[in-house]
Amino acid sequence: ETGVTQSPTHLIKTRGQQVTLRCSSQSGHNTVSWYQQALGQGPQFIFQYYREEENGRGNFPPRFSGLQFPNYSSELNVNALELDDSALYLCASRGPDLAKNIQYFGAGTRLSVL
Amino acid sequence: AQSVSQHNHHVILSEAASLELGCNYSYGGTVNLFWYVQYPGQHLQLLLKYFSGDPLVKGIKGFEAEFIKSKFSFNLRKPSVQWSDTAEYFCAVNSGSQGNLIFGKGTKLSVKP
Repeated sequence: ETGVTQSPTHLIKTRGQQVTLRCSSQSGHNTVSWYQQALGQGPQFIFQYYREEENGRGNFPPRFSGLQFPNYSSELNVNALELDDSALYLCASRGPDLAKNIQYFGAGTRLSVL
Repeated sequence: AQSVSQHNHHVILSEAASLELGCNYSYGGTVNLFWYVQYPGQHLQLLLKYFSGDPLVKGIKGFEAEFIKSKFSFNLRKPSVQWSDTAEYFCAVNSGSQGNLIFGKGTKLSVKP
């Protein structure tokens, strides 16, 4: 168990819709990152939040956005869904000790866009 | 830009065989290196990590990896695999200044009983 939980586990949407994925991190883990894992690929970094502010972003368009809340939960929002957004979305959290720099992953939300 | 290459897409071994999965990264500065494992239907789990010091690191479940700086490599090894090692293995890197991980495409390991 990593202490990181994600919901829902599976989701089916149609092209053009909007989706919100949720993540709950361990208490004290004030850094959360989101990754997209397409079929047959490794996870790709979407963005990172630290103390409720985005402080790093990968090569994803602005229709991918996020929020982090004081209670160690966070959201990934995707607008105007495209077929290529179908993937496993992973949330990962880190504690305050950056020297350890270990990310703990949730089991993911599998999003299918039809 | 940083990148990670994993040489093998799918490896099939019999139980008790030895395992070595290749990983190379491209980045000129200080890096942290990781191997994660993803069992079917489960979350990514950290196998081992290298930050500094002894380049031979030991992880959970009998896995080890060796950091060879001159070759930009961080290969994963296990002397004798078990059927329960069937999973997908990901090599990942981040730099000291950035928290996000750069992953390779993964290697699927199938162990025949």
